[in-house]
Amino acid sequence: DTQMTQSPSSLSASVGDRVTITCRASQSISSFLNWYQQKPGKAPELLIYAASSLQSGVPSRFSGSASGTDFTLTISSLQPEDFATYYCQHSYTNPWTFGQGTKVEI
Amino acid sequence: QVQLQESGPGLVKPSETLSLTCSVSGGSISRYYWSWIRQPPGKGLEWIGYMHHSGSNNYNPSLKSRVTISLDTSKNQFSLKVTSVTAADTAVYYCARVNSGSNYLAFDIWGQGTMVTVSS
Repeated sequence: DTQMTQSPSSLSASVGDRVTITCRASQSISSFLNWYQQKPGKAPELLIYAASSLQSGVPSRFSGSASGTDFTLTISSLQPEDFATYYCQHSYTNPWTFGQGTKVEI
Repeated sequence: QVQLQESGPGLVKPSETLSLTCSVSGGSISRYYWSWIRQPPGKGLEWIGYMHHSGSNNYNPSLKSRVTISLDTSKNQFSLKVTSVTAADTAVYYCARVNSGSNYLAFDIWGQGTMVTVSS
């Protein structure tokens, strides 16, 4: 299985901060990497697909990038509604797996 | 606007079969791949498997021997069955649509999720 390792597992930030979350794949997954946001008691929502493509309706402060097997989600200016847990997920080979999540807190 | 809604029993006894249905509204199920994902309380997400209307499917090997996903195009629904459940199958179960392109496969629309508890 391809393991997805996210870091950090949690972080504290303030409104307006630039936030970066990293996800490392244990082997090549090409660009089959997605990012989701999940708020408590809610289903995840797709933010970024294909490593760097912004899902329709998602604010432009969210962006994704890739370098080999390292992937990054960046929030350029953290807003109050962005406090949530973020997951990366690959869909390159079976089984599709998620990272363990990064909780963004105040 | 496509919407998904899970339904099914919230309580299942150990060793029995968990059965859930996902109703799709606002679009046809005869396109896309359709998938199930679960999340144990306080934990992360686990992909269960997907099915396409063509009959193509793919399951997580960790669950493959106990899982079946099927589509009912006449009802615009798809379903999940997990046999021989144990407490480890207790989770929120989500259904989701898989959108695809040449370089991506992503869960772009999710149901709200339904909590299933395995207990006697």
